[in-house]
Amino acid sequence: DAGITQSPRYKITETGRQVTLMCHQTWSHSYMFWYRQDLGHGLRLIYYSAAADITDKGEVPDGYVVSRSKTENFPLTLESATRSQTSVYFCASSAVKAGDEQYFGPGTRLTVT
Amino acid sequence: QQQVKQSPQSLIVQKGGISIINCAYENTAFDYFPWYQQFPGKGPALLIAIRPDVSEKKEGRFTISFNKSAKQFSLHIMDSQPGDSATYFCAASQYYGGATNKLIFGTGTLLAVQP
Repeated sequence: DAGITQSPRYKITETGRQVTLMCHQTWSHSYMFWYRQDLGHGLRLIYYSAAADITDKGEVPDGYVVSRSKTENFPLTLESATRSQTSVYFCASSAVKAGDEQYFGPGTRLTVT
Repeated sequence: QQQVKQSPQSLIVQKGGISIINCAYENTAFDYFPWYQQFPGKGPALLIAIRPDVSEKKEGRFTISFNKSAKQFSLHIMDSQPGDSATYFCAASQYYGGATNKLIFGTGTLLAVQP
C-alpha cells in the first residue's frame, strides 16, 4: 500500500547501544522529517531533509544521526542510546509546494533501559 | 521566539458541547497555522489550517479563529462527539515566507468528549 511506514513499531534497547529507526514513503515527497513526541513537550523536530543528500538539524538533534541517500528513505540512528531518548518517534513527509500538509507515519515507540 | 504555547493541556466536554483550544505564538513571521489531530496509537493528521490573511476558517464542525494583532489562534469544535476524543496539536510555520516546511508544534491538548 502507498503511504509512509515506519519500522520497527516497538523497540526496547539498552543504554549505549546503537539503534536505527526506519522510515519509508511511497509518494516521492521531497521533504521528510523526524519528530519525537514526549508528554508535556508535544512534537519536537529532530532532523529534516529537503531532498536526497540534503539534511538539516531541527530543535533537538543531539545524539541523533540521519542520512538520505534515496528520496523514499530517511533512517534515524541513535548512535549511543540514552534513557532520555525513550520516546515515541514519528516520521513525516510533505511535497515541496508551500502549504502542503505533512503526512505522518504510525510511529515507533522506543524504550531505552 | 519560536515557541507556540497551547492551552489547556486537557479538556473534558459533554457530547454536543463546544470544545475550544487556544494557541499563542511570538514570531510574527509565521504565516501558516495548521491543527493536527492524533488518535491513540496513530500518527498526527492534518485537520484544518489557516493563513493570517483571514480571521476565520470553517470546515464542517471545526473552525479556526485567528487574531493576528494578539498573535493567537484557536480551534473550535462545535457539537463535539465522542469520536472527536483525541489529542490536538496546533502548529505554526513560515511556509510562504520561509525556505522550508518546518512546523513548530504546541504541546498538545487531550480532548475527551463524554457521551
